[in-house]
Amino acid sequence: EPEVTQTPSHQVTQMGQEVILRCVPISNHLYFYWYRQILGQKVEFLVSFYNNEISEKSEIFDDQFSVERPDGSNFTLKIRSTKLEDSAMYFCASSAGGLGKNIQYFGAGTRLSVL
Amino acid sequence: AQTVTQSQPEMSVQEAETVTLSCTYDTSESDYYLFWYKQPPSRQMILVIRQEAYKQQNATENRFSVNFQKAAKSFSLKISDSQLGDAAMYFCAYKGKTGANNLFFGTGTRLTVIP
Repeated sequence: EPEVTQTPSHQVTQMGQEVILRCVPISNHLYFYWYRQILGQKVEFLVSFYNNEISEKSEIFDDQFSVERPDGSNFTLKIRSTKLEDSAMYFCASSAGGLGKNIQYFGAGTRLSVL
Repeated sequence: AQTVTQSQPEMSVQEAETVTLSCTYDTSESDYYLFWYKQPPSRQMILVIRQEAYKQQNATENRFSVNFQKAAKSFSLKISDSQLGDAAMYFCAYKGKTGANNLFFGTGTRLTVIP
C-alpha cells in the first residue's frame, strides 16, 4: 500500500542552524501538509501546499519556515534558523484531489531536537 | 476557532474486551468531517474511521465504531474485541467541509491493551 515517507526519522541540530525535513508524499496526491507536535501537546497544523504554492498557513508558520516541492516528488520543510522551541515531531501528510482531499495520509514523522 | 478535546490521556483495556475513547469538539459549522487516527509507536498515523457530520448513521469499520452525537458535539470511538495490536496513541481530528483544508487534532489518548 502506498505511504508517505519522511526522512530522517530523527534530526539533531544546534540552535541557529538551518534544517531541512524531507517528505515523499503518495505519488498521485495533490495536497501536501506539514504538522508538528511538541512533546505532550496537540498536533498542530503548519502549512498546506497545492498547485506549487502555499494554500494555507498557521500563525506558527512564520518567516523562519518555508516549504518547497523541488522535483515533483519530494516535499520539504526548511527551518532557517532553528530555535530551542522548534524541537518537536514534524509530520508530513498528503491527500488526493476531489473528494479525496478530505482524507489525509501521514508519514511516521521526523523528531527534531534543537540543542 | 475549532477545538478538539480528548479528556482521557491514557486508557487500558483487557484483551478481547471493549473500550470507548472520548472526544468532544467545538465548531460553529454545520457540516464537517470527524476522524480517528491511530499512531503505533514510531509509526505513521493511520486513519481508523471517519464520519461525515450530515450522515446520521454512525460509521463502523470492522471492530471499530463511533458514537456520533452531533447536538452534543461528541464523537467517541468504540473498539470491540481489543487486540494487542490496537495498542497505540489515538487522535481525534476535525476538518471543516468548507474553508481551510487542515485538520484540528485533540491531544490524544494512549491505549494500552493488557494480555
